[in-house]
Amino acid sequence: GAGVSQSPRYKVTKRGQDVALRCDPISGHVSLYWYRQALGQGPEFLTYFNYEAQQDKSGLPNDRFSAERPEGSISTLTIQRTEQRDSAMYRCASSLARGTQETQYFGPGTRLLVL
Amino acid sequence: TQLLEQSPQFLSIQEGENLTVYCNSSSVFSSLQWYRQEPGEGPVLLVTVVTGGEVKKLKRLTFQFGDARKDSSLHITAAQPGDTGLYLCAGARAGNNRKLIWGLGTSLAVNP
Repeated sequence: GAGVSQSPRYKVTKRGQDVALRCDPISGHVSLYWYRQALGQGPEFLTYFNYEAQQDKSGLPNDRFSAERPEGSISTLTIQRTEQRDSAMYRCASSLARGTQETQYFGPGTRLLVL
Repeated sequence: TQLLEQSPQFLSIQEGENLTVYCNSSSVFSSLQWYRQEPGEGPVLLVTVVTGGEVKKLKRLTFQFGDARKDSSLHITAAQPGDTGLYLCAGARAGNNRKLIWGLGTSLAVNP
């Protein structure tokens, strides 16, 4: 596709369940980022990849959160044993990662609601 | 501790007015970006500033990077209802320019 896509767009789950959020970046983009964004606020960095290598996961809140990008393209953010405080908009972005003035292109996000 | 402070947090003005949004930090950034986000959408890049003192113009929007590369401003002239949205600044630190530091955003409403 032309842009970054994410699925599902909305996810409602019960506390304690595991969820997997998918990001399909723009074709050819080297870097892929995961963010969490509260309503009306800026994105909160979670983790990012260059190709299939996870470069920085310092923003993951705890060990229930993990991410992978096994073939350097599609990425999955997994949240195990979900809690109500995990409810948020999860956004993915990708970039060509050339030089210092890269542009990050954001996907539409997955709205997660944990009941 | 918020590394990038944006002000004001909320702004509601009438069409035709001018406004300035500020992005301040005690840290030096190698580059700083401004994004605009509309409801239900992801942030979209407006501009990247790299050099201290740099000024960039995008139609009615003027962006400035502070001389010390610690702060930036966005000035909108003759605001229009289509300018309504969340304006975000994001800075890249030297040596780790892939991980952007984001401000909390300025929510702008331009009333007709």
